[in-house]
Amino acid sequence: GAVVSQHPSWVICKSGTSVKIECRSLDFQATTMFWYRQFPKQSLMLMATSNEGSKATYEQGVEKDKFLINHASLTLSTLTVTSAHPEDSSFYICSAVFLAVQETQYFGPGTRLLVL
Amino acid sequence: RKEVEQDPGPFNVPEGATVAFNCTYSNSASQSFFWYRQDCRKEPKLLMSVYSSGNEDGRFTAQLNRASQYISLLIRDSKLSDSATYLCVVKEYGGSQGNLIFGKGTKLSVKP
Repeated sequence: GAVVSQHPSWVICKSGTSVKIECRSLDFQATTMFWYRQFPKQSLMLMATSNEGSKATYEQGVEKDKFLINHASLTLSTLTVTSAHPEDSSFYICSAVFLAVQETQYFGPGTRLLVL
Repeated sequence: RKEVEQDPGPFNVPEGATVAFNCTYSNSASQSFFWYRQDCRKEPKLLMSVYSSGNEDGRFTAQLNRASQYISLLIRDSKLSDSATYLCVVKEYGGSQGNLIFGKGTKLSVKP
Protein backbone atom coordinates (compact mmCIF):
# COMPACT_ATOMS: atom_id res chain seq x y z
CA GLY A 1 0.00 0.00 0.00
CA ALA A 2 0.89 3.65 -0.30
CA VAL A 3 3.32 5.01 2.24
CA VAL A 4 2.93 8.66 1.29
CA SER A 5 -0.39 10.40 0.72
CA GLN A 6 -1.22 13.83 -0.65
CA HIS A 7 -4.33 15.89 -0.31
CA PRO A 8 -6.06 17.13 -2.30
CA SER A 9 -5.44 15.21 -5.49
CA TRP A 10 -7.06 17.91 -7.64
CA VAL A 11 -7.44 21.64 -7.10
CA ILE A 12 -9.10 24.19 -9.36
CA CYS A 13 -9.00 27.73 -8.08
CA LYS A 14 -9.27 31.33 -9.14
CA SER A 15 -6.22 33.46 -9.71
CA GLY A 16 -5.10 35.20 -6.54
CA THR A 17 -6.23 32.55 -4.08
CA SER A 18 -3.91 30.49 -1.92
CA VAL A 19 -3.82 26.72 -2.06
CA LYS A 20 -2.52 24.37 0.60
CA ILE A 21 -1.30 20.89 -0.29
CA GLU A 22 -0.65 18.30 2.40
CA CYS A 23 1.88 15.51 2.23
CA ARG A 24 1.64 12.78 4.84
CA SER A 25 3.82 9.79 5.52
CA LEU A 26 1.68 6.89 6.62
CA ASP A 27 2.89 4.81 9.56
CA PHE A 28 6.49 5.99 9.13
CA GLN A 29 8.51 8.91 10.36
CA ALA A 30 9.97 10.91 7.52
CA THR A 31 13.25 12.62 8.23
CA THR A 32 13.10 14.61 5.05
CA MET A 33 10.40 15.49 2.58
CA PHE A 34 10.89 16.90 -0.89
CA TRP A 35 8.52 18.96 -3.00
CA TYR A 36 8.66 18.64 -6.78
CA ARG A 37 6.80 20.27 -9.62
CA GLN A 38 6.21 18.81 -13.07
CA PHE A 39 4.92 20.78 -16.04
CA PRO A 40 3.47 18.88 -19.02
CA LYS A 41 6.09 16.90 -20.94
CA GLN A 42 8.79 18.15 -18.60
CA SER A 43 10.85 16.42 -15.96
CA LEU A 44 10.14 16.61 -12.27
CA MET A 45 11.93 19.62 -10.86
CA LEU A 46 12.85 19.83 -7.21
CA MET A 47 11.39 22.91 -5.56
CA ALA A 48 12.52 22.52 -1.98
CA THR A 49 13.83 20.15 0.66
CA SER A 50 12.00 20.11 3.95
CA ASN A 51 13.30 18.83 7.28
CA GLU A 52 11.08 18.50 10.31
CA GLY A 53 11.38 21.44 12.67
CA SER A 54 13.61 23.58 10.47
CA LYS A 55 13.24 25.94 7.55
CA ALA A 56 12.97 24.47 4.10
CA THR A 57 15.83 24.75 1.65
CA TYR A 58 14.63 26.12 -1.67
CA GLU A 59 16.13 25.47 -5.07
CA GLN A 60 17.41 28.36 -7.12
CA GLY A 61 14.58 30.20 -8.84
CA VAL A 62 11.87 29.03 -6.43
CA GLU A 63 10.36 31.91 -4.45
CA LYS A 64 10.19 30.97 -0.78
CA ASP A 65 7.60 33.65 -0.06
CA LYS A 66 5.32 32.29 -2.75
CA PHE A 67 5.71 28.61 -1.96
CA LEU A 68 5.46 28.32 1.80
CA ILE A 69 6.56 25.03 3.26
CA ASN A 70 5.80 23.90 6.77
CA HIS A 71 7.14 20.64 8.17
CA ALA A 72 5.77 20.64 11.68
CA SER A 73 5.97 16.92 12.36
CA LEU A 74 7.74 13.82 11.12
CA THR A 75 4.61 12.74 9.27
CA LEU A 76 3.30 15.95 7.73
CA SER A 77 4.64 18.61 5.40
CA THR A 78 2.50 21.26 3.73
CA LEU A 79 3.09 23.37 0.66
CA THR A 80 1.06 26.55 0.32
CA VAL A 81 0.98 28.25 -3.06
CA THR A 82 0.20 31.84 -2.15
CA SER A 83 -1.66 34.12 -4.54
CA ALA A 84 -1.71 31.46 -7.21
CA HIS A 85 -1.59 32.48 -10.86
CA PRO A 86 -2.24 30.47 -14.05
CA GLU A 87 1.50 29.90 -14.54
CA ASP A 88 1.51 28.02 -11.21
CA SER A 89 -0.76 25.38 -12.73
CA SER A 90 1.23 22.18 -12.52
CA PHE A 91 1.54 18.73 -10.99
CA TYR A 92 2.96 19.01 -7.48
CA ILE A 93 4.48 15.85 -5.99
CA CYS A 94 6.00 15.29 -2.60
CA SER A 95 8.35 12.53 -1.56
CA ALA A 96 9.57 11.32 1.79
CA VAL A 97 12.73 9.70 3.05
CA PHE A 98 12.30 7.45 6.04
CA LEU A 99 14.66 6.96 8.93
CA ALA A 100 15.16 3.27 8.23
CA VAL A 101 15.60 3.46 4.45
CA GLN A 102 17.44 6.67 3.78
CA GLU A 103 18.47 5.92 0.23
CA THR A 104 14.93 5.63 -1.11
CA GLN A 105 12.40 8.36 -1.72
CA TYR A 106 8.76 7.37 -1.60
CA PHE A 107 6.53 9.56 -3.74
CA GLY A 108 3.05 10.73 -2.99
CA PRO A 109 0.37 10.42 -5.70
CA GLY A 110 0.66 14.10 -6.62
CA THR A 111 -1.68 17.07 -6.67
CA ARG A 112 -2.87 18.63 -9.89
CA LEU A 113 -3.34 22.38 -9.56
CA LEU A 114 -5.25 24.37 -12.16
CA VAL A 115 -5.42 28.11 -11.64
CA LEU A 116 -8.01 29.87 -13.75
CA ARG B 1 22.35 23.21 -13.92
CA LYS B 2 23.52 19.60 -14.00
CA GLU B 3 21.41 17.54 -16.34
CA VAL B 4 20.20 14.10 -17.08
CA GLU B 5 19.45 13.56 -20.74
CA GLN B 6 17.26 10.96 -22.36
CA ASP B 7 15.84 10.29 -25.80
CA PRO B 8 12.20 11.41 -25.42
CA GLY B 9 10.88 8.82 -27.86
CA PRO B 10 8.19 7.74 -28.26
CA PHE B 11 9.27 4.18 -28.77
CA ASN B 12 6.44 2.26 -30.39
CA VAL B 13 7.09 -1.48 -30.27
CA PRO B 14 5.05 -4.66 -30.69
CA GLU B 15 4.43 -7.03 -27.83
CA GLY B 16 7.36 -9.34 -27.28
CA ALA B 17 9.92 -6.91 -28.62
CA THR B 18 13.14 -6.00 -26.87
CA VAL B 19 13.67 -2.29 -26.34
CA ALA B 20 16.60 -0.33 -24.92
CA PHE B 21 16.68 3.13 -23.39
CA ASN B 22 19.76 5.24 -22.91
CA CYS B 23 20.59 8.06 -20.58
CA THR B 24 23.58 10.29 -19.98
CA TYR B 25 24.35 12.44 -16.97
CA SER B 26 26.66 15.39 -16.69
CA ASN B 27 27.81 15.33 -13.07
CA SER B 28 30.69 12.89 -12.70
CA ALA B 29 30.33 13.02 -8.92
CA SER B 30 26.84 11.50 -9.01
CA GLN B 31 26.39 8.79 -6.41
CA SER B 32 23.35 6.70 -7.19
CA PHE B 33 21.34 5.88 -10.25
CA PHE B 34 17.81 4.69 -10.80
CA TRP B 35 15.16 3.99 -13.37
CA TYR B 36 11.65 5.13 -12.47
CA ARG B 37 8.45 4.47 -14.31
CA GLN B 38 5.74 7.10 -14.59
CA ASP B 39 2.28 6.35 -15.90
CA CYS B 40 0.19 9.15 -17.36
CA ARG B 41 -0.91 11.62 -14.68
CA LYS B 42 0.61 9.53 -11.92
CA GLU B 43 3.59 9.84 -9.62
CA PRO B 44 6.91 8.19 -10.57
CA LYS B 45 7.54 4.76 -9.13
CA LEU B 46 10.91 3.16 -8.62
CA LEU B 47 11.57 0.46 -11.18
CA MET B 48 15.10 -0.44 -10.19
CA SER B 49 18.38 0.89 -8.94
CA VAL B 50 21.36 0.74 -11.26
CA TYR B 51 24.70 -0.65 -10.19
CA SER B 52 28.11 -0.52 -11.86
CA SER B 53 28.17 -4.30 -12.16
CA GLY B 54 24.84 -4.27 -13.97
CA ASN B 55 21.70 -5.73 -12.50
CA GLU B 56 18.68 -7.62 -13.67
CA ASP B 57 15.13 -7.87 -12.39
CA GLY B 58 13.07 -10.28 -14.43
CA ARG B 59 12.70 -8.84 -17.93
CA PHE B 60 14.52 -5.65 -16.99
CA THR B 61 18.28 -5.17 -17.14
CA ALA B 62 20.03 -1.98 -16.10
CA GLN B 63 23.64 -1.03 -16.69
CA LEU B 64 25.87 1.81 -15.65
CA ASN B 65 29.09 3.02 -17.23
CA ARG B 66 30.64 5.57 -14.90
CA ALA B 67 33.51 6.35 -17.23
CA SER B 68 31.10 7.31 -20.00
CA GLN B 69 28.46 8.67 -17.59
CA TYR B 70 25.92 6.50 -19.33
CA ILE B 71 23.01 4.45 -18.04
CA SER B 72 20.85 1.99 -19.93
CA LEU B 73 17.67 0.02 -19.43
CA LEU B 74 16.80 -3.05 -21.47
CA ILE B 75 13.30 -4.48 -21.49
CA ARG B 76 12.88 -7.95 -22.95
CA ASP B 77 9.63 -9.57 -24.09
CA SER B 78 7.68 -6.30 -23.84
CA LYS B 79 4.17 -6.45 -22.42
CA LEU B 80 1.28 -4.08 -23.03
CA SER B 81 1.52 -3.12 -19.37
CA ASP B 82 5.07 -1.86 -19.90
CA SER B 83 3.63 1.18 -21.74
CA ALA B 84 4.71 4.18 -19.68
CA THR B 85 7.34 6.88 -19.49
CA TYR B 86 10.69 5.70 -18.15
CA LEU B 87 12.64 8.22 -16.15
CA CYS B 88 16.39 8.11 -15.72
CA VAL B 89 17.22 9.48 -12.29
CA VAL B 90 20.51 10.43 -10.69
CA LYS B 91 21.22 11.16 -7.07
CA GLU B 92 24.03 13.63 -6.75
CA TYR B 93 25.15 12.74 -3.26
CA GLY B 94 24.24 10.23 -0.63
CA GLY B 95 22.19 10.14 2.53
CA SER B 96 18.81 11.61 3.23
CA GLN B 97 19.73 14.99 1.79
CA GLY B 98 20.66 13.71 -1.63
CA ASN B 99 18.07 15.05 -4.00
CA LEU B 100 17.09 13.31 -7.20
CA ILE B 101 17.71 14.76 -10.64
CA PHE B 102 15.18 13.50 -13.16
CA GLY B 103 15.49 13.15 -16.89
CA LYS B 104 12.50 14.17 -18.99
CA GLY B 105 11.71 10.55 -19.63
CA THR B 106 11.40 8.22 -22.58
CA LYS B 107 7.91 7.25 -23.59
CA LEU B 108 7.27 3.62 -24.44
CA SER B 109 4.15 2.39 -26.16
CA VAL B 110 3.76 -1.38 -26.55
CA LYS B 111 1.19 -2.37 -29.15
CA PRO B 112 -0.67 -5.69 -29.55
